[in-house]
Amino acid sequence: DIQMTQSPSSLSASVGDRVTITCRASQGISNYLAWYQQKPGKVPKLLIYAASTLQSGVPSRFSGSGSGTDFTLTISSLQPEDVATYSCQQYNSVPRTFGQGTKVEIK
Amino acid sequence: EVQLVESGGGLVQPGGSLRLSCAASGFTFSNYWMSWVRQAPGKGLEWVANIKQDGSEKYYVDSVKGRFTISRDNAKSSLSLQMNSLRVEDTAVYYCASGSTYTVYWGQGILVTVSS
Repeated sequence: DIQMTQSPSSLSASVGDRVTITCRASQGISNYLAWYQQKPGKVPKLLIYAASTLQSGVPSRFSGSGSGTDFTLTISSLQPEDVATYSCQQYNSVPRTFGQGTKVEIK
Repeated sequence: EVQLVESGGGLVQPGGSLRLSCAASGFTFSNYWMSWVRQAPGKGLEWVANIKQDGSEKYYVDSVKGRFTISRDNAKSSLSLQMNSLRVEDTAVYYCASGSTYTVYWGQGILVTVSS
């Protein structure tokens, strides 16, 4: 199984800050990576797929990059509504696997 | 509007069984792979199983192999997850999810609690 490791596990940043979350796969997954946002008590929401393609309706301050084993999710200017847990998921092979999540808070 | 509505959750004793259902609407169900994803309390997301459009291919995470069975009824636009020999560690919110790769559409989730 492919292991997905995210860092950091949590972070606290100020409104307007640039925030970067990393996700590392235990083996190469090409660009078969998605990012999700999950607000407390809510259903996960797809932000990015194919490592860098923004899902329709997602604000442009979110962006993704990477290929192979190393990936990043960037929020260019953190907003209060971005408080959530962010998770990566590989879909290169079965079983699909998720990272453990990164909790983003406002400082 | 795409809707995925889960039902069948609840409290069950260890070793017991439960059957989850997911009613789909707003899209052509028979054209899509479907999946189940779960989330234990305070934990991250875990993919559980998926099933091909015609039911001919099914895949499971190792921890549920031999205990859980995913199935579908395209005539009723319905997805199911039969869960047998339930363990305390199966306690989670179970989500019905569209697709086999990344997930655009999620159900609201249904809580399954395995406890004595």
